[in-house]
Amino acid sequence: GAGVSQSPRYKVAKRGQDVALRCDPISGHVSLFWYQQALGQGPEFLTYFQNEAQLDKSGLPSDRFFAERPEGSVSTLKIQRTQQEDSAVYLCASYPGGAGNTIYFGEGSWLTVV
Amino acid sequence: RKEVEQDPGPFNVPEGATVAFNCTYSNSASQSFFWYRQDCRKEPKLLMSVYSSGNEDGRFTAQLNRASQYISLLIRDSKLSDSATYLCAGGSNFGNEKLTFGTGTRLTIIP
Repeated sequence: GAGVSQSPRYKVAKRGQDVALRCDPISGHVSLFWYQQALGQGPEFLTYFQNEAQLDKSGLPSDRFFAERPEGSVSTLKIQRTQQEDSAVYLCASYPGGAGNTIYFGEGSWLTVV
Repeated sequence: RKEVEQDPGPFNVPEGATVAFNCTYSNSASQSFFWYRQDCRKEPKLLMSVYSSGNEDGRFTAQLNRASQYISLLIRDSKLSDSATYLCAGGSNFGNEKLTFGTGTRLTIIP
């Protein structure tokens, strides 16, 4: 497809369970971002990749959060031992680079931890 | 203090009215600014980019005031379809376009 694709769209996890969220960016976009959006809040930066290199992971809230993009295209955000405070929408975005452009979001993965 | 701040609203505005939102930013190194629109249970979508002195797109006008470190969004002749949450965002424009978002301002247009 033409846009950023994320899966699963909805995930209910029991507390303590591990989850993996997938992002397929727009073809040709070298930059990929993960954001977390809690209810009633704006998106909060988690991590950033340029191709396969993770250049910034300063927003990851704890060492339970891990992201990878091994071949520079599809990315996976993994959350280990999920907690209730991890409940949020996880948005992936890709960026084409160059002046005058901005990031384009996927529809998000809605995670509910019960 | 959050790096980007917005009044969360809600703003309830009659159809046809003009509505304005402000957004302040604290990082003076921010170079690029954007307004995003987010509908309920949807992803943010770019509404307007804001560079230098601002720009206009139809009923929407965005302004940047670097001296006071705020950006604004003006919506004229508001329509029911304008009901959404409006997010402002700032970026360093250093080639990676990592954005910092405000909490969003919720707008409801009333018939």
